[in-house]
Amino acid sequence: GAVVSQHPSRVICKSGTSVKIECRSLDFQATTMFWYRQFPKKSLMLMATSNEGSKATYEQGVEKDKFLINHASLTLSTLTVTSAHPEDSSFYICSARVPRAGQRYNEQFFGPGTRLTVL
Amino acid sequence: TQLLEQSPQFLSIQEGENLTVYCNSSSVFSSLQWYRQEPGEGPVLLVTVVTGGEVKKLKRLTFQFGDARKDSSLHITAAQPGDTGLYLCAGVKTNAGKSTFGDGTTLTVKP
Repeated sequence: GAVVSQHPSRVICKSGTSVKIECRSLDFQATTMFWYRQFPKKSLMLMATSNEGSKATYEQGVEKDKFLINHASLTLSTLTVTSAHPEDSSFYICSARVPRAGQRYNEQFFGPGTRLTVL
Repeated sequence: TQLLEQSPQFLSIQEGENLTVYCNSSSVFSSLQWYRQEPGEGPVLLVTVVTGGEVKKLKRLTFQFGDARKDSSLHITAAQPGDTGLYLCAGVKTNAGKSTFGDGTTLTVKP
């Protein structure tokens, strides 16, 4: 099956610093990737849709200058949390749309997630 | 307002019991997926349902899509401890190109 990796798996940083999270599709090309945020024992909250070669589409209430998304290749999308603060601490998960699925089905392969802790 | 509501939110049962998880909405979806997530990991796709009234089986798991494509259910027969996890339904609205996730059902199966 298709594999999506995320790096790092855990990161602890000081308030005010920026953190970059990488999401890679290892054995397939991902035109569309998604970034989610998940709070403990809660569901996934879509932050943005990342399309290769174009600007990301952010969900309402998500600050695009705060959460910078770059999808420069068909196998890599990055999320940079700029000037992180403790309230940004969360579990961030990326996913890649299954190539055969298309928009109607939007089946996704998920990465293992990144636990961000901002002190 | 949650677009997709799942019930129950938490479920703790003994090994061997049956259970049903529900995913309800007032919106129509072009497709709906069910995922299972274990702690500290990303969700894993279990199934996609597309046609109203569709029933799909995956070993002991039975998935159904409502006739009007507004709701879905997941039934597990003879639950096992390995079924423990967070079950998420995700609906895709026509031409939306993105998924809306339900609020999840945390299932614990005790040996």
